[in-house]
Amino acid sequence: SQTIHQWPATLVQPVGSPLSLECTVEGTSNPNLYWYRQAAGRGLQLLFYSVGIGQISSEVPQNLSASRPQDRQFILSSKKLLLSDSGFYLCAWKLVGTDTQYFGPGTRLTVL
Amino acid sequence: GENVEQHPSTLSVQEGDSAVIKCTYSDSASNYFPWYKQELGKGPQLIIDIRSNVGEKKDQRIAVTLNKTAKHFSLHITETQPEDSAVYFCAASFSGNTPLVFGKGTRLSVIA
Repeated sequence: SQTIHQWPATLVQPVGSPLSLECTVEGTSNPNLYWYRQAAGRGLQLLFYSVGIGQISSEVPQNLSASRPQDRQFILSSKKLLLSDSGFYLCAWKLVGTDTQYFGPGTRLTVL
Repeated sequence: GENVEQHPSTLSVQEGDSAVIKCTYSDSASNYFPWYKQELGKGPQLIIDIRSNVGEKKDQRIAVTLNKTAKHFSLHITETQPEDSAVYFCAASFSGNTPLVFGKGTRLSVIA
């Protein structure tokens, strides 16, 4: 069966510091991968998605970037965090050509 | 692009009563409509989905109805229980690699 992991689970970072969040999927190959951000009490904002290694589509221009160095690994990064980057970051995956999308457990990021 | 509107934003019901959440979408090409439940501090979980070739789907106390002509779909929860309290998201997409477009969510509170 497939599982999705995200780490860290929680993170507190100062403004201006770098960020690296990691997401990995087990038990499948060549999944579509997604990064979402959820501000407190708000909806799901799609940040990036990837249909293959090295293929990244950005939905929202900001100081975040994403990379997919391996088939089942998706990384969200920032060189300098802003206060507004605080939120709940969710990774999701689905099999290519299918509809069902599955979310990971999320990373709670607080920027102080 | 696709736009999904979700109502109401908050909903309180007495335990045992029914709850209905409604969504409308803009792109008539959309043909996949999932519903997710998100408990506090967790990632959203798929609870039911429907495709455009079906008008209604039921799974125990949960049902989803779809009206393609009017471009709206609804989630129905019967005999609500306290554990149904959560945020519910609807979404829509055109099958394949296109990302899901989410509504802004409904916070459901079931009062014992």
